[in-house]
Amino acid sequence: DGGITQSPKYLFRKEGQNVTLSCEQNLNHDAMYWYRQDPGQGLRLIYYSQIVNDFQKGDIAEGYSVSREKKESFPLTVTSAQKNPTAFYLCASSIVGESEQPQHFGDGTRLSIL
Amino acid sequence: EDKVVQSPLSLVVHEGDTVTLNCSYEVTNFRSLLWYKQEKKAPTFLFMLTSSGIEKKSGRLSSILDKKELFSILNITATQTGDSAIYLCAAPNDYKLSFGAGTTVTVRA
Repeated sequence: DGGITQSPKYLFRKEGQNVTLSCEQNLNHDAMYWYRQDPGQGLRLIYYSQIVNDFQKGDIAEGYSVSREKKESFPLTVTSAQKNPTAFYLCASSIVGESEQPQHFGDGTRLSIL
Repeated sequence: EDKVVQSPLSLVVHEGDTVTLNCSYEVTNFRSLLWYKQEKKAPTFLFMLTSSGIEKKSGRLSSILDKKELFSILNITATQTGDSAIYLCAAPNDYKLSFGAGTTVTVRA
């Protein structure tokens, strides 16, 4: 089955700790995205990547980092600089160059502070 | 800055009621508007609208776009408890999607 796999489903972070959220897709999509979802605020874009080894900051990139070493993978690191990391994190992918194509989403990772 | 605003933020209805959700937008180089349904996990795609006045339908759900007044509505008729979800609208700009805050719909039996 083609799709997007996010892991883990639940993650707890201690103060001062960096944590990494995994996102893998087998849809052969070039573009991948990370969103943060807070209650009442919809989805906000953290980072996106249109091609391997290249990525751009979204609207709320501070305190986060990403890498795109493989087409299938786009991991997100929540660093200790992110002071309010508790949220639901969604990864998505889409075909590049066809902006009318909808993005496909993973099932999300819920991050909480210990 | 692109802006997508949804209303209401939440509503509670009873089974069989009709629901109308609103989405207004201000987006540079507007091309389309998308609706998603989110039930606790991954948002799932419902509709993409590109032309004014042309209704898109899928079962009890329908949606229409007004490019002159810059808004879209999503209708759900004969609601069921399975329609309970967050409904998100979004507009692409370049390679990004700008999302509204979502409307949480709760359908009571």
